[in-house]
Amino acid sequence: AQKVTQAQTEISVVEKEDVTLDCVYETRDTTYYLFWYKQPPSGELVFLIRRNSFDEQNEISGRYSWNFQKSTSSFNFTITASQVVDSAVYFCALSEVEGSGTYKYIFGTGTRLKVLA
Amino acid sequence: DGGITQSPKYLFRKEGQNVTLSCEQNLNHDAMYWYRQDPGQGLRLIYYSQIVNDFQKGDIAEGYSVSREKKESFPLTVTSAQKNPTAFYLCASSFAELAKNIQYFGAGTRLSVL
Repeated sequence: AQKVTQAQTEISVVEKEDVTLDCVYETRDTTYYLFWYKQPPSGELVFLIRRNSFDEQNEISGRYSWNFQKSTSSFNFTITASQVVDSAVYFCALSEVEGSGTYKYIFGTGTRLKVLA
Repeated sequence: DGGITQSPKYLFRKEGQNVTLSCEQNLNHDAMYWYRQDPGQGLRLIYYSQIVNDFQKGDIAEGYSVSREKKESFPLTVTSAQKNPTAFYLCASSFAELAKNIQYFGAGTRLSVL
C-alpha cells in the first residue's frame, strides 16, 4: 500500500537558519510522482514541486532545494536562509497509477515550520 | 483571475442538519476533488470527479454526498449521517485525472458543530 511519512510534526528555527523537512514514501510501483505543497495560514495548499520516479536529479529553486533518493525512498525539502514568510505547514504527497487506470494522491501528515524572527 | 473559490469560509452545523459546501473553479479543469483535513492527519480524500455527471467515492465518503452537474462546480453536502463533521474541508481541481497532474486548491471551509 502507498504510504507517506513525515516524521517531523513541528520544527522551529530562527530566521536565516537552514532547515530540512523529511519525507519518506512507500510504493510498489515503478512509475509514480512525488509532490511538495505549502499550506500558509490562509489555508489553501500551494504547489511547490513535482518529481517523477525516473528523475532523480536534485532541484534548486531560489532558497528551496529538493533531494530525491530512490535508494532510501526519500524526497527531502531544504529551505536555505529561512524567512518568517516560510512559516507554514508543508505536505509531501505521492501519486501513482492504480491497476484500474485511476490514481490517488496520498498525503503525509504535514510538518509545521515556524520561523522565528 | 483563474482559481478555485470555496464558500463559505466558516460554517456551523446544527445536530441533524445537512449543510452544503460550495466549490467553483474557472481553470477549465476536468477533475475535481474534496478533501477533509483534521489536525495531525493530513488530507483524506472524500469524493472525486473526473467528468461532469460522474463521481467516485474516496477513502472517507460515508456521511457525505456530491454532485457534478457542471464542469465548474462540485458541491459537497455533509449529511446528518456524518457524526463527526468538524474539520477543515478543501476542494481541489486538476486537468484530466492523471497521476502526474498538479492539484490546485481552494482556501477551504472550516465546519463546526453547534
